[in-house]
Amino acid sequence: KNEVEQSPQNLTAQEGEFITINCSYSVGISALHWLQQHPGGGIVSLFMLSSGKKKHGRLIATINIQEKHSSLHITASHPRDSAVYICAGGSNYKLTFGKGTLLTVNP
Amino acid sequence: GAVVSQHPSRVICKSGTSVKIECRSLDFQATTMFWYRQFPKQSLMLMATSNEGSKATYEQGVEKDKFLINHASLTLSTLTVTSAHPEDSSFYICSALSLPLATNEQFFGPGTRLTVL
Repeated sequence: KNEVEQSPQNLTAQEGEFITINCSYSVGISALHWLQQHPGGGIVSLFMLSSGKKKHGRLIATINIQEKHSSLHITASHPRDSAVYICAGGSNYKLTFGKGTLLTVNP
Repeated sequence: GAVVSQHPSRVICKSGTSVKIECRSLDFQATTMFWYRQFPKQSLMLMATSNEGSKATYEQGVEKDKFLINHASLTLSTLTVTSAHPEDSSFYICSALSLPLATNEQFFGPGTRLTVL
């Protein structure tokens, strides 16, 4: 069983919809990372957070340390948001990755 | 922002040959770099932690004689897949920790797709 679980595995949305991707972890972590992986494989770090909430443009990430749960929200989704979104728990600079959520946003 | 590059972006080689993949931090110094491997539809898996000026630390199950890591400078780490076999075909990604270490933020390279025929 993976120590970092994401849901859903696949998500299809219409342009403009509000999207939520969830991440639960069982490992002790000092930080939770959200990453974006586009077709072709390149990875971009979206957020790193250890408490509360962070916002960058249309993306919002929250974390509840007590419940060991984090969410990534995308407001006003756009086809260019289509990618795999990965959460990863970090401890001592090492990351444990979830399997990713494949998001497809249709125009 | 912090940029990490990898070279080559994709490589095809024959079974039995060795392949070297470079990971560079372009605008910052990285005392620590990480090498990951990702098989299709799987999570990234940490292979090894590369520390500048010292030997790499390998994760359990990763053969250090097969996956040679050299971190000779604060901006360059290399991964050499020796005597590659088809089962080594995968997507290899590096990441780098920027100084100061207290930020705990990793910056990822674009990855290298290795295909062994």
